[in-house]
Amino acid sequence: QVQLQESGPGLVKPSQTLSLTCTVSGGSISTGGYYWSWIRQLPGKGLEWIGYIYYSGSTYYNPSLQSRVTISVDTSNNQFSLKLTSLTAADTAVYYCARAVDYGSGYFDYWGQGTLVTVSS
Amino acid sequence: EIVLTQSPGTLSLSPGERATLSCRASQSVSSSYIAWYQQKPGQAPRLLIYDASSRATGVPDRFSVSGSGTDFTLTISRLEPEDFAVYYCQQYNYLPPLTFGGGTKVEIK
Repeated sequence: QVQLQESGPGLVKPSQTLSLTCTVSGGSISTGGYYWSWIRQLPGKGLEWIGYIYYSGSTYYNPSLQSRVTISVDTSNNQFSLKLTSLTAADTAVYYCARAVDYGSGYFDYWGQGTLVTVSS
Repeated sequence: EIVLTQSPGTLSLSPGERATLSCRASQSVSSSYIAWYQQKPGQAPRLLIYDASSRATGVPDRFSVSGSGTDFTLTISRLEPEDFAVYYCQQYNYLPPLTFGGGTKVEIK
């Protein structure tokens, strides 16, 4: 059973950079056939795909966030990470990491529990 | 960007009733590339259905999908107490970006 767990700060100041890590257990990130993803949910709102990465390092980002997002992978530690720069209050959300099956552009079969990130001074 | 519009926003029903949730796409989506998720308060979304009609592990057969082109429907044949939640559709036909609908809340009447 694959499990994903997000980690990182719960409070970040405006204009700073958010760094989150997702640790994968029960399966290897280096197994082909999956994209490793970040998705966020603004308070009381729907889901927004941020982007994902293949174990080889290929990345795809949401154009609305592309200028501020970097997703990287650390196969040796079975982790992948999100960096989001120039934060504003509008980035306050629950951030999820998830595994996307490489079929079409991907659907999400396993999710982390999510971590609430608040952007506030 | 493919916009997915879900309706109604809220569905008020009683246990045992049938729920019909709609997901409309701004342009045609291959029916193989629509997924549906269930989310309960304080939890991550859970994959229900993918490839238009394949149920994820453990999902009961009271959940079914239909539709093609731009109009897709998730039907819950008889609501159980654990089915009251928010449901999202997602398209994975076009990238970027992957997109989700705004959700339909199924609440107890």
